[in-house]
Parts: sequence; C-alpha cells; structure tokens
Amino acid sequence: GQNIDQPTEMTATEGAIVQINCTYQTSGFNGLFWYQQHAGEAPTFLSYNVLDGLEEKGRFSSFLSRSKGYSYLLLKELQMKDSASYLCAVTNSNYQLIWGAGTKLIIKP
Amino acid sequence: TAGITQAPTSQILAAGRSMTLRCTQDMRHNAMYWYRQDLGLGLRLIHYSNTAGTTGKGEVPDGYSVSRANTDDFPLTLASAVPSQTSVYFCASSHEGGSTDTQYFGPGTRLTVL
Repeated sequence: GQNIDQPTEMTATEGAIVQINCTYQTSGFNGLFWYQQHAGEAPTFLSYNVLDGLEEKGRFSSFLSRSKGYSYLLLKELQMKDSASYLCAVTNSNYQLIWGAGTKLIIKP
Repeated sequence: TAGITQAPTSQILAAGRSMTLRCTQDMRHNAMYWYRQDLGLGLRLIHYSNTAGTTGKGEVPDGYSVSRANTDDFPLTLASAVPSQTSVYFCASSHEGGSTDTQYFGPGTRLTVL
C-alpha cells in the first residue's frame, strides 16, 4: 500500500530550530512536496524535492533521501507565525499526490 | 488575481439532500482537483480533471460526481448526502495534470451533513 508518516504534533520555542520528519512508501516516486496549512486555511506550497539532497529557501530547508524513503523540513529562527500544520505529500507513479496527515507545529514564546 | 475561489464557505445539509460545491480558477490551469480533509487523515483525492472535458476518479470517489465543461470551473456534486461526507472540501489546480506541477488550493468549503 501507500503510506506517508509524520509526527502528529511538535512543540518548539520562538527563535529555535525544528526538524519535521516524513517517511513514505508509495507506488513509484516522482517527487515530494511540503505544504504549510494554518488553522482554517488552505494548504500553501513550501518546497519540492525530486533529487537527493538539501534544498534551501530562506528560513526553510527541505531534505530528501530517496533510498531511505525519507524527507525532513527544517525551520530556522522560528517565529510565532510559523505555528501551523506542515503537510508532506509524495507524487506517485500515476502522478497523484499521496498526503500525510500533517504535523501540527506549536511555537511557544 | 483571485486564484481559486470556492463557494459556499460553509454549509449545513440534511442527509439525503443534494448539493453542488463550486470551484472557479482564473489562472488558466489545465488540471483541477477535489480533495476532502478529515481530522487525523491526509488530504484524499475525490476526483480530478487533467483538462476541460475529461475527468477521473481519485481515491474516494463514491457518492460524488464532477464535470468540467470549461477550463475555469470544476463543480463537485453530492447527489444524496450522508453524514460520513461531513468534511472540509478543497479544490486545487495545477498548470498541467499528470505531472509534478505544484497544486494551488482554494480556501475550502466546510460541509456538515446531519
């Protein structure tokens, strides 16, 4: 079957660094997305990885290891506005997105 | 630009009634999607359309139908609603279907079926 696993909830402190992990098992692989979703709002695109390695975009970085079926999203210099859910999604062989349940990130002052 | 709009924002519906959720995009994207989001579960694809005039079934299509008469609109119809269809529904679009193009989401419709 197809499965995406992420921690349900994480807590971090303002100004700190947090890493949100995602492991996946899908029928084929055509890339991995990270989306941010604030409560009551739509998911918004953060990053896309298709090759192994780290992609850096400002305070956010995303890492992929295809051989391990593993990705992480790294958030630096955390701000209160980063409190949100972070969704991991994998594009399978049919080019359909398979979504994880999301990680709710709580930022404390 | 508005991007993707959905209507209504929220709705309470009696079981057995029918309803159409509307979705319109102004980005001239070829592909459009309907997802439902339930607590503790990932987004699940209901139906999709890779181009105007074509539609396909996603992971959870039962009880739902769609049409794609033109590029901009992709309505989702519940013919006879049941309580298990209580959910938040998101419409999304991407430049091309069957690709790794980024999907952009509408604001969602919160539906409660009683």
